[in-house]
Amino acid sequence: EVQLVESGGGLVKPGGSLRLSCTGSGFTFGSFSMNWVRQTPRRGLEWVASIRSGGNYIFYGDSGKGRFTISRDNDKGSLYLQMSNLRPEDTGTYFCARDKGIAVYLFDLWGQGTLVTVSS
Amino acid sequence: DIQMTQSPSTLSASVGDRVDITCRASQSINSWLAWYQQKSGRAPDLLIFKASRLESGVSSRFSGSGSGTEFNLTISSLQPDDFATYYCQQYNAYPYTFGQGTKLEIK
Repeated sequence: EVQLVESGGGLVKPGGSLRLSCTGSGFTFGSFSMNWVRQTPRRGLEWVASIRSGGNYIFYGDSGKGRFTISRDNDKGSLYLQMSNLRPEDTGTYFCARDKGIAVYLFDLWGQGTLVTVSS
Repeated sequence: DIQMTQSPSTLSASVGDRVDITCRASQSINSWLAWYQQKSGRAPDLLIFKASRLESGVSSRFSGSGSGTEFNLTISSLQPDDFATYYCQQYNAYPYTFGQGTKLEIK
């Protein structure tokens, strides 16, 4: 079955850090650009970050610049998002999403999401 | 940033109805527009891309139109499974932004 499965969400205090993971299966993970998209009560759906298939091109939306780091391990079929200096407004569900093309930023396969709660 | 504005925010309709949802971009995005369906507690599913192209496996009851700054998603003959929230997304320019969503409810 073609799928993405996220993990690593949880409750963290403001200023804290969290590392999200996403594992792909049923497709050639290393051939696709991958993304993190989040859904928050305040801003709705928001593209967070993207990484090309080889890991050589990385882009961030405004919400993640300077605080989030996207990475991947194609041998493990895994995508990561290291989040630091977390704020209450980062609270939401974080989805990994496959790019339908090469750096098209069109998302044709999503994981089920992992919930991040930033609260003291 | 390109702002995406959907209307209406909520839409009440009955099984068998035809409905239209509008998405407006704050500047031209050519045809780089996608529509997603999201059911409660689940991830969004891609329905339409490049404004009018149906994603594989998606029912032909869904269709998209438009270019530039104004786009429409049409669902003909609503089925019970169609009641969900719909989002548009532009992928013309960084950062890649979504509309606020249209919740389709059963009348």
